[in-house]
Amino acid sequence: AQSVTQPDIHITVSEGASLELRCNYSYGATPYLFWYVQSPGQGLQLLLKYFSGDTLVQGIKGFEAEFKRSQSSFNLRKPSVHWSDAAEYFCAVGAVGGGGADGLTFGKGTHLIIQP
Amino acid sequence: GAVVSQHPSWVICKSGTSVKIECRSLDFQATTMFWYRQFPKQSLMLMATSNEGSKATYEQGVEKDKFLINHASLTLSTLTVTSAHPEDSSFYICSASGVLIEQFFGPGTRLTVL
Repeated sequence: AQSVTQPDIHITVSEGASLELRCNYSYGATPYLFWYVQSPGQGLQLLLKYFSGDTLVQGIKGFEAEFKRSQSSFNLRKPSVHWSDAAEYFCAVGAVGGGGADGLTFGKGTHLIIQP
Repeated sequence: GAVVSQHPSWVICKSGTSVKIECRSLDFQATTMFWYRQFPKQSLMLMATSNEGSKATYEQGVEKDKFLINHASLTLSTLTVTSAHPEDSSFYICSASGVLIEQFFGPGTRLTVL
């Protein structure tokens, strides 16, 4: 069965500093990997996704992530965070079954706090 | 981009009543829709997958008789929580997938059962 581990429950970063959120996955086949952001009481916004090809993926809001198959990781990075980046971040893994997309398996999330 | 809506955005009901939540894909045809559940400060858990015109496939541990899912058209799926109890209070989020692999998420419905 697939699983996603986000080892950091909370991360505090100063505004303007760099950020890295960790994500490790377990999946039997080539995974489709996603990072989502969720603000309090809101739905999910897709930051970026990896399906195939270039292992360094660029997303919205200045985020990027790197797929490392050897480490089963898909860490999210941003060179300089803004106060508006404070939110909950979820890493997810999915696949494509015979009938199309399969449901996603989410990590437990990382709560990002931005210090002024 | 693809837009998915949910209605209502929040609902409060009495214990023992049933509640229906709608999920609509507004600008694309969703061959597959998914329902997730999120408890406060926790992750999303997949409840079920529904394909248009077929019976939903439920994840292990999800009661199919309690959480009725109907995917009657390519733009609408409904989740009905039957005989709701306080432990059913949660944030329910749907997503939809069409010809693209990517899932597009709705804004969620917060259910509170008194």
